[in-house]
Amino acid sequence: DQQVKQNSPSLSVQEGRISILNCDYTNSMFDYFLWYKKYPAEGPTFLISISSIKDKNEDGRFTVFLNKSAKHLSLHIVPSQPGDSAVYFCAASASGTYKYIFGTGTRLKVLA
Amino acid sequence: KAGVTQTPRYLIKTRGQQVTLSCSPISGHRSVSWYQQTPGQGLQFLFEYFSETQRNKGNFPGRFSGRQFSNSRSEMNVSTLELGDSALYLCASSPGQVFEAFFGQGTRLTVV
Repeated sequence: DQQVKQNSPSLSVQEGRISILNCDYTNSMFDYFLWYKKYPAEGPTFLISISSIKDKNEDGRFTVFLNKSAKHLSLHIVPSQPGDSAVYFCAASASGTYKYIFGTGTRLKVLA
Repeated sequence: KAGVTQTPRYLIKTRGQQVTLSCSPISGHRSVSWYQQTPGQGLQFLFEYFSETQRNKGNFPGRFSGRQFSNSRSEMNVSTLELGDSALYLCASSPGQVFEAFFGQGTRLTVV
């Protein structure tokens, strides 16, 4: 039962354009969401988070949007840079469970 | 501030053996979580510890166990290794509530 889904295994974007990575979840108890970036042979690096009381959070080039009614979140990267090429994971957590459920990841390739 | 440190980075074991992996969290972080990453399954939650107490456990067989020490360092143990246990094992630390979790670089375990 995949509670967190990233339906696009890969995405290619031209440098300077916007990258939009999507994530859907099924568990309405999730109230905290995060995005991580991962390079091969390294641990995931935290990018940005959002709690369910918000619908948007920005940090520099990264913005996360949360649509609770649709159980959907997205990560926008503007402008995209070649160094952003990596696998991106979304993760969700429900208060009191002390664990994150991860999606299967989207491989982003930013073309120079 | 030092990040999350996992040792060893790489490990090769034989089927039937047991293995212990170590994780030192970020100073001041009291929560340590463990995840298994495999190509087909993404990141799967193993367990979480806070102040030496296991607060949650994932759906893994009893061969997977862990513990946390009073200095917040954590170890996970896998007994009677199987080929399918080959994976990247990731440790993450956080202050304790549902905050961003920061990952170590992982231990790559290969079972032959």
